[in-house]
Amino acid sequence: DAGVTQSPTHLIKTRGQHVTLRCSPISGHKSVSWYQQVLGQGPQFIFQYYEKEERGRGNFPDRFSARQFPNYSSELNVNALLLGDSALYLCASSFERGGRVTQYFGPGTRLTVL
Amino acid sequence: GDSVTQMEGPVTLSEEAFLTINCTYTATGYPSLFWYVQYPGEGLQLLLKATKADDKGSNKGFEATYRKETTSFHLEKGSVQVSDSAVYFCALSDTVTGNQFYFGTGTSLTVIP
Repeated sequence: DAGVTQSPTHLIKTRGQHVTLRCSPISGHKSVSWYQQVLGQGPQFIFQYYEKEERGRGNFPDRFSARQFPNYSSELNVNALLLGDSALYLCASSFERGGRVTQYFGPGTRLTVL
Repeated sequence: GDSVTQMEGPVTLSEEAFLTINCTYTATGYPSLFWYVQYPGEGLQLLLKATKADDKGSNKGFEATYRKETTSFHLEKGSVQVSDSAVYFCALSDTVTGNQFYFGTGTSLTVIP
């Protein structure tokens, strides 16, 4: 079975531009979460979506937005890019069993803002 | 709020040495606990998990026991290999916070032959 896929793998943008990152979850997983991982740090939670509804939002500015589509794939959008947005963006899909959730991560999109 | 604290790295060990990476947590409810591993240039891979107190997660020779009394989930391996060189992240998921995941800052492990 295919794991979580993300595109593109790498991206270079300049300050002020916007970017769209894409994620396809593992088949059968209805929840997708997005994380930002700055070099040398652990992943920081940005958004969680379940059945196309936003379930959670981390401490990120409104420049960050996301959505989930009927096929459970997801997009993360970042507007007005800043140098500090340079990071690895990770998508995770998850399933719930007995009230407990396990997340599986994709390979990430490396965003560089110049 | 919920948080995870793990030991500072980097950690350098010789092949076949014993590994311990400490992880402690703070949680509002009754969290599930995880260890993820990240190889250079890759995403995070689930290594093991435990969903309730006294559970032991294990995989590929790695083990961690959910200790509620000490709020800990230390990662151990009896004999490390060069291929275990990676960054290890401890994480928790708490039902009280909608199963949001919280990660530690990661511990870099290098195993030398």
